[in-house]
Amino acid sequence: DVKVTQSSRYLVKRTGEKVFLECVQDMDHENMFWYRQDPGLGLRLIYFSYDVKMKEKGDIPEGYSVSREKKERFSLILESASTNQTSMYLCASFRRQNTEAFFGQGTRLTVV
Amino acid sequence: DAKTTQPNSMESNEEEPVHLPCNHSTISGTDYIHWYRQLPSQGPEYVIHGLTSNVNNRMASLAIAEDRKSSTLILHRATLRDAAVYYCILRDAPSGNTGKLIFGQGTTLQVKP
Repeated sequence: DVKVTQSSRYLVKRTGEKVFLECVQDMDHENMFWYRQDPGLGLRLIYFSYDVKMKEKGDIPEGYSVSREKKERFSLILESASTNQTSMYLCASFRRQNTEAFFGQGTRLTVV
Repeated sequence: DAKTTQPNSMESNEEEPVHLPCNHSTISGTDYIHWYRQLPSQGPEYVIHGLTSNVNNRMASLAIAEDRKSSTLILHRATLRDAAVYYCILRDAPSGNTGKLIFGQGTTLQVKP
């Protein structure tokens, strides 16, 4: 069974902390994405990566960075967490254009 | 990225067919039409995609207008488990390896027993 696994389902962090959200896929996919989902705003693309060590900004990259050191792992980093980064974070991967994308279950992050 | 327009919400009765419309009047010749759905408390999941011809799979059918400016996702017999938010998305055909999935607001489908 193909899988995209996010390291935590729920996470609570304090303002100013450095936060790492991890995503691992076991399908040898080149492309990996990070989204956040907020009520009324839908899913918004933060960053994506189409190869190891490659990254591109999505629509809302401010306050975030990413790391792709290995093909199977794509990490989202909040350098200094703020309360407006409280959200559901979703990771996705796919092999090539116009193939099926697979999503993780999401990480609900609360910054207090 | 070309935009899509979907109704905010729709209702259906269980075991009846559901037709979910999507307008994409600015679609380009190389855009594929993708559908994803998101069940409550889960990440989105792929439903179906197509370019010009109608497509069928085990989950649904996709009917694409001849001018490609609209499409319809068809669930042949809705079940309570089909209650979800359905997203219609345009993705550019291969010109590189990227293919951003840009989500709109989607259609919230309610299925009544």
